[in-house]
Parts: sequence; C-alpha cells; structure tokens
Amino acid sequence: GAVVSQHPSRVICKSGTSVKIECRSLDFQATTMFWYRQFPKQSLMLMATSNEGSKATYEQGVEKDKFLINHASLTLSTLTVTSAHPEDSSFYICSAREAASPWDTQYFGPGTRLTVL
Amino acid sequence: AQSVTQLGSHVSVSEGALVLLRCNYSSSVPPYLFWYVQYPNQGLQLLLKYTSAATLVKGINGFEAEFKKSETSFHLTKPSAHMSDAAEYFCAVSEDWNTDKLIFGTGTRLQVFP
Repeated sequence: GAVVSQHPSRVICKSGTSVKIECRSLDFQATTMFWYRQFPKQSLMLMATSNEGSKATYEQGVEKDKFLINHASLTLSTLTVTSAHPEDSSFYICSAREAASPWDTQYFGPGTRLTVL
Repeated sequence: AQSVTQLGSHVSVSEGALVLLRCNYSSSVPPYLFWYVQYPNQGLQLLLKYTSAATLVKGINGFEAEFKKSETSFHLTKPSAHMSDAAEYFCAVSEDWNTDKLIFGTGTRLQVFP
C-alpha cells in the first residue's frame, strides 16, 4: 500500500527557534498533501491543504506566517513552525492523496511530536 | 458545518466478542464517511469508506460499517474481536463532495482482553 513518512518522529526545541517537519510520499506522487494537528485526547484538526507548486490553503485560525508550508515536489511537503512557543507543542500529522478527488483515500504519516521548551 | 460524534472514548471487549464502535454525523448534504485505525506509533490507516454506493461497507481486517441516513450513523462493527484489533479508531466525514477537508471524531480506543 501507499506509504507516507514523516521526519523527524520527535523533536524538542527551545522557545523562539524554528522547526521543520518533512512529509514524504514514498511510492506514489501526491497531488495534494494535508497537515493536521492533534492535541492530547482530541481529534485531528486540519491546519492546511497544499497542492504541488501552489500556495497552501490554511484553515481559519491557523497563522500562515507561523506555520510555513512548502510543497515543492510531488513527493515532499514541509511544515516549518517558526519562532516556536510552548503552546505550539503538539502532534503534527501529514497525509497525502494521489488523485484529485476528495473521496479518494488520504494516506497518513506516523506523525511528529513537537515539544517546545 | 459538518461534525462527527464518537460515543465512548474507550471500549473494552473480550477476545471473540462483537466489536461495536459508534459514529454519528451531522450533515446537510450527502456525506462521504470514513473509518481510520491508528496503531501505536503508526499513521492512520483507512479501514473503509462510504461514498454513496452500497450502504453496507466492508473494510479490511473483517470490519464493516453501515450507513443509516435516518439515524445519521455510521457505526463500525466486527463480529469477533482479535487481540490485534486493539488500537485507536477514528470516524471522519468529508465536508462536501468537492472539498478536501475531513472532519474527524475524537476517537475511540478499543481494548481487547483475552
């Protein structure tokens, strides 16, 4: 089946630094990639949707200048948390979809746990 | 706006017993519905999805779900639980037929006892 990887799986950083998280589709080309955030004991919340070569579309309430998303190729998307603060600590999950149809399957990465000290 | 409610954050069953995980949705349009499973330290994996074809949807690992429009439900069942079914299960609904956004429920952790 389709595999999506994320790197790193865990990251700890100091407040004020920036952190980059990579999401890769390993065996398919992802026309669309999604970034989610999951708080403890809560559901996944969509942060943004990105199409290769286009600017990401952010959900309401998500600061685009703080969460920079780049989808430069059909197999790689990156999320950069700029000037991270403790409240940004969370579990970040990406997903990728090969086809353009909304009902086609999103394949999820294993997630990245970010801890900001 | 669409929403998903999963009743019961934890469900415990004995091995061999029926598994029933509940999901109710709110939608003003015909939805697409999904069940995902998340094993420890792994990404979400699609179990099954409903896209307005047959109302009884069969998925992987012996799971199935039935779309009941009158009850706005999409409950997940498995006749006989296995120890390997222990995981977190998420129900999700697509916001609209032409949008990308998935609305997830808060998840149900399934425990299976020998």
